[in-house]
Amino acid sequence: DAGVIQSPRHEVTEMGQEVTLRCKPISGHDYLFWYRQTMMRGLELLIYFNNNVPIDDSGMPEDRFSAKMPNASFSTLKIQPSEPRDSAVYFCASSPRRTESSYNEQFFGPGTRLTVL
Amino acid sequence: GQQVMQIPQYQHVQEGEDFTTYCNSSTTLSNIQWYKQRPGGHPVFLIQLVKSGEVKKQKRLTFQFGEAKKNSSLHITATQTTDVGTYFCAGRSTRRGSARQLTFGSGTQLTVLP
Repeated sequence: DAGVIQSPRHEVTEMGQEVTLRCKPISGHDYLFWYRQTMMRGLELLIYFNNNVPIDDSGMPEDRFSAKMPNASFSTLKIQPSEPRDSAVYFCASSPRRTESSYNEQFFGPGTRLTVL
Repeated sequence: GQQVMQIPQYQHVQEGEDFTTYCNSSTTLSNIQWYKQRPGGHPVFLIQLVKSGEVKKQKRLTFQFGEAKKNSSLHITATQTTDVGTYFCAGRSTRRGSARQLTFGSGTQLTVLP
């Protein structure tokens, strides 16, 4: 299994531009999470999906952020317009359906390092 | 909302010394997980603790869950340079509807000096 795949790995953009981050979860996982990591705020949950349906988006900082999951194998996180304070590493993680033998752990992708100038 | 605090924020140790990081939650947890993130990498799951007072070991790593299920610790015996990284605890609330959400602590960044 290739694990969680994220693209791009690095993104440098200018303030005001639209940014789209992409994620492919591990096949068969029912849950998908988007996190943001910064030195100041640590690892923050932005939103998570269950079976492609957004369950909790209370962590999304503001209306400039939106996330979609059109199918079980793909999700996007969009920032429009981007601002310098959005600079961070964005992680996508997936988690399997709960089973007796599962720890329900989250499998993280390699992250996208976003720099907004 | 739920808060998970972790101390210390940074820890430098000489190779061979022991290391401990502590995690405290503002609310009772259903379970707690621990993750390790190597420099430049992504968090990787280490273990989950579920029961009150539970203790689990992985080689030189010992994980404990408090009796009240509000605190946890990770202890590393005789650190090695391969232990370098940031260790996060992540708590899962007992609140209904939050079964899948983890609240991550701020992490403890461990540096091991050779």
